[in-house]
Amino acid sequence: QVQLQESGPGLVKPSETLSLTCTVSGGSISDYYWTWIRQPPGKGLEWIGYIYYSGTTNYNPSLKSRVEMSVDTSRNHFSLKLNSVTAADAAVYYCARGRSWYAYWGQGTQVTVSS
Amino acid sequence: ETVLTQSPGTLSLSLGERATLSCRASQSVSSSYLVWYQQKPGQAPRPLIYGASTRATGIPDRFSGSGSGTDFTLTISRLEPEDSAVYHCQQYGSSPWTFGQGTKVEIK
Repeated sequence: QVQLQESGPGLVKPSETLSLTCTVSGGSISDYYWTWIRQPPGKGLEWIGYIYYSGTTNYNPSLKSRVEMSVDTSRNHFSLKLNSVTAADAAVYYCARGRSWYAYWGQGTQVTVSS
Repeated sequence: ETVLTQSPGTLSLSLGERATLSCRASQSVSSSYLVWYQQKPGQAPRPLIYGASTRATGIPDRFSGSGSGTDFTLTISRLEPEDSAVYHCQQYGSSPWTFGQGTKVEIK
């Protein structure tokens, strides 16, 4: 059974870069698409984008100028960087497996943006 | 981008009743590429229905999905206590994929 686990700082200062990693266990990162989704407090879900294990990406245009995703097949993990964060970027960040819809999700990690 | 509007915002029903949740898209969702998720507090979403009408693995048959084009429906035929949750729709027919704002189902 594949499992995903997000990790990274829970607190990021405004204007700095949010960096998260999603570690995949119980299966290989190869041959799949991997996605980041976020959920601001009390709000709906927002698709951030996906990365294929080969490195091909597709980002939400609303975040594209600030987002970078990468994959490390040797460590079986993939990562998200979001720069120039503001309070609007505070959310629970989820990683998930898949390109279009998602059967496997991480438990989510809360990110607060505050000085 | 395709905006998804879910209604109602909250649905309060009794055990055994039928729940009907709506998801309306601002433009046609190609090939009925729409999925419904259930999310309980503190948990990640769980897929219920994909392709608008196909139940995901392990989902009981009291959950059903229907619709095409711009109008989609999730029906829970007989509410059970564990169905208390927020339900999200998501389209994956045109990038960027988008989600509705969610419908909360409360059991009276």
